[in-house]
Amino acid sequence: DAGITQSPRHKVTETGTPVTLRCHQTENHRYMYWYRQDPGHGLRLIHYSYGVKDTDKGEVSDGYSVSRSKTEDFLLTLESATSSQTSVYFCAISEWRPNSGNTIYFGEGSWLTVV
Amino acid sequence: RKEVEQDPGPFNVPEGATVAFNCTYSNSASQSFFWYRQDCRKEPKLLMSVYSSGNEDGRFTAQLNRASQYISLLIRDSKLSDSATYLCVVNLGGNAGNNRKLIWGLGTSLAVNP
Repeated sequence: DAGITQSPRHKVTETGTPVTLRCHQTENHRYMYWYRQDPGHGLRLIHYSYGVKDTDKGEVSDGYSVSRSKTEDFLLTLESATSSQTSVYFCAISEWRPNSGNTIYFGEGSWLTVV
Repeated sequence: RKEVEQDPGPFNVPEGATVAFNCTYSNSASQSFFWYRQDCRKEPKLLMSVYSSGNEDGRFTAQLNRASQYISLLIRDSKLSDSATYLCVVNLGGNAGNNRKLIWGLGTSLAVNP
């Protein structure tokens, strides 16, 4: 258990509306990530954060913004949702564990449908 | 060529069978390697890291071949509960702790049948 909570878990929204997904972690992890997963594309990094107010773009950042005003929360915002942003969104943290080394652990996902 | 390639399957095997998956990667500078497991409509979960000398965790064995740029996962004595998609992940490295350079395969689907 990575101690990550995503909200909302499921959301249906209309094209053109703003949407914010929240990722909350309880273990003081420095690095946090937002991914999307789509058939045929696999997991793709949207944005990541390496500390409070420190964020950077990933592979598919267009149409998304993020904010991290405190260590435990990493917010993903779709400024104006489009149907192409219908996806499942996973938040993740980096953690080093014995026998596993340094890798990432995911939250349960947020299913977003844009109609 | 995709950076990380996996046979999508599906692999359909009976309980008790041994099954092996391969994953090839294109970047010779890749620094670390992992297998994740993902159940339908769930998040990916770390199955095991892959070390140069090979490593085993119960019924699961992972191997790395840097010369040929592939990693493998062997599952012995398959259980119904092993049915899932197995994702190969390659880390191109970066600052310690920051995993922003993970490259994910699309996954191999395994169905273990009674």
